[in-house]
Amino acid sequence: DSGVTQTPKHLITATGQRVTLRCSPRSGDLSVYWYQQSLDQGLQFLIQYYNGEERAKGNILERFSAQQFPDLHSELNLSSLELGDSALYFCASSALQGYNEQFFGPGTRLTVL
Amino acid sequence: AQSVTQPDIHITVSEGASLELRCNYSYGATPYLFWYVQSPGQGLQLLLKYFSGDTLVQGIKGFEAEFKRSQSSFNLRKPSVHWSDAAEYFCAVVPLSGGSYIPTFGRGTSLIVHP
Repeated sequence: DSGVTQTPKHLITATGQRVTLRCSPRSGDLSVYWYQQSLDQGLQFLIQYYNGEERAKGNILERFSAQQFPDLHSELNLSSLELGDSALYFCASSALQGYNEQFFGPGTRLTVL
Repeated sequence: AQSVTQPDIHITVSEGASLELRCNYSYGATPYLFWYVQSPGQGLQLLLKYFSGDTLVQGIKGFEAEFKRSQSSFNLRKPSVHWSDAAEYFCAVVPLSGGSYIPTFGRGTSLIVHP
């Protein structure tokens, strides 16, 4: 158990819908990272937050957004969903802003029908 | 362009046999290097990391990796594989410049262990 929790574990929805994925980092970790894992793209970095502020952006679509709240949990919002958004979405946390070990949550499997 | 390559999509070994998973990177300077393991239905777990110093690093679960600057490689090894090692293995690199410290992951190598 990494100490990072993600909800829900599975999510099935339809095209055009909007969903919210939730992540609670390890106790004391200030950095949260979001990743998308799909068969064709592999593991892709989406976005990083540190202590409530956006720190780095990767291959995140404009239809996707995220935020980190004062209690340090984070949410990833996916809107206008397309079939190609079906993937595993991972959250990871680390203690610092700069790089050190990231601890990954178990992921949310999103299926868009 | 900066990249991480894991040339083997699948590797099959017999239990008790030795293992080597390959990872090559293309970066301007030596980056931070990592190996992660992902068991089915689980998130990624860090096996080991290389920042600097001794080029042979020891990790958890009996794994080790050797950094070879001349070959831009960071191969993962284990002398005797157990059935529980069957999983997906990812090499990752983090560039030292730029300040973003965002890892780039290889596409992964799926390890199959035969009894």
